[in-house]
Amino acid sequence: QKEVEQDPGPLSVPEGAIVSLNCTYSNSAFQYFMWYRQYSRKGPELLMYTYSSGNKEDGRFTAQVDKSSKYISLFIRDSQPSDSATYLCAMSLNAGNMLTFGGGTRLMVKP
Amino acid sequence: ETGVTQTPRHLVMGMTNKKSLKCEQHLGHNAMYWYKQSAKKPLELMFVYNFKEQTENNSVPSRFSPECPNSSHLFLHLHTLQPEDSALYLCASSQGRYNEQFFGPGTRLTVL
Repeated sequence: QKEVEQDPGPLSVPEGAIVSLNCTYSNSAFQYFMWYRQYSRKGPELLMYTYSSGNKEDGRFTAQVDKSSKYISLFIRDSQPSDSATYLCAMSLNAGNMLTFGGGTRLMVKP
Repeated sequence: ETGVTQTPRHLVMGMTNKKSLKCEQHLGHNAMYWYKQSAKKPLELMFVYNFKEQTENNSVPSRFSPECPNSSHLFLHLHTLQPEDSALYLCASSQGRYNEQFFGPGTRLTVL
């Protein structure tokens, strides 16, 4: 079993849709959770960073962590074609620890 | 741009060749990383350097040899690679080990 599972997609949605991207994990000790966005022919860039359980909102993006279910989500409201990218979840035990990544979900937002 | 550059962007090499990947960061960070990204697989951490000293080697085969001459530059020397080593090799840097990492665009490596 992989430590972090992520549906590879592709996930295709129409412009303006609400997108839900998810990861499940097996190690209950993970405390820091991140979402990275990777455009084609680019490296990943940090999008959202949350600690422990709860929600964090930044513009059109909301990150949600449910530690009891070992499940994290990234919601994108009013999705735009420019959101088309691969989204990677990552997590770590503590700040300053190595990151464990999911395999990424490819998102396509159609105009 | 992220402030992390990688060259070359694309590399095709035979199994007997020797080549090197270069990474340079212009962010004043002290930690640098090499990752391997294969299709539909999670990023695999290969090496970590902190203040030029290697702190992690994630059981990487010896055909991959890293070099960090200073905090701004990182190299990955390649020799006698296998076709399964074909992947995107990403360099990253951070201020503090494992703090927010900034990634370069990667080198797409194909081993024939």
